[in-house]
Amino acid sequence: QVQLVHSGSELKKPGASVQVACKASGYTFNTQNMNWVRQAPGQGLEWMGWINTNTGNPTYAQGFTGRFVFSLDTSVNTAYLQISSLKAEDTAVYYCLPSNSGGFHYWGQGTLVTVSS
Amino acid sequence: EIVLTQSPGTLSLSPGERATLSCRASQTISNNYLAWYQQKPGQAPRLLIYDASSRATGIPDRFSGSGSGTDFTLTISRLEPEDFAVYYCQQYGTSPLTFGGGTTVEIK
Repeated sequence: QVQLVHSGSELKKPGASVQVACKASGYTFNTQNMNWVRQAPGQGLEWMGWINTNTGNPTYAQGFTGRFVFSLDTSVNTAYLQISSLKAEDTAVYYCLPSNSGGFHYWGQGTLVTVSS
Repeated sequence: EIVLTQSPGTLSLSPGERATLSCRASQTISNNYLAWYQQKPGQAPRLLIYDASSRATGIPDRFSGSGSGTDFTLTISRLEPEDFAVYYCQQYGTSPLTFGGGTTVEIK
């Protein structure tokens, strides 16, 4: 069965960087693009963009350019999200979601990133 | 970008009642590529409906989706205690993908 195992919670200070890892299993990694979705505490869902798992080419939604970087290590079926120059408003749960169409069928537990001094 | 407006913001109902949730798009959703998700406190969202009306794997048939173009509806025919949660719609027909703001279904 499809599983998405996210790296553990992170507590970071403003200005620091963080990398979130998402290890996928149960399907062929490069057959589905990987999306990233953010959910701030008590708030709704926000699509951040996606990365082509064949080419590694990322596409970022508006508001997620500059400080956000999607990457892959296809040898271990893992997608990464790096956020630099962290701000308090980056505090959220981050989800990786494989999909080519038909919505997001598989959700892992997400990674909580807390930015606080 | 396509803005999705969900209404009502909160729906107060009793178990056994019918719930009707609305999702209205600011422009036509391509191929009716609209999904509905359920989220309970402390949990990740769960896909209920995709392509506007197809139930995801394992979703009970009391959940149904309908609509086309710009107006979509999620119906829960008879609310079970476990159905009280937040529901989001999402369109994936046009980039950027967007989500609605959510409807909370609470126990009356």
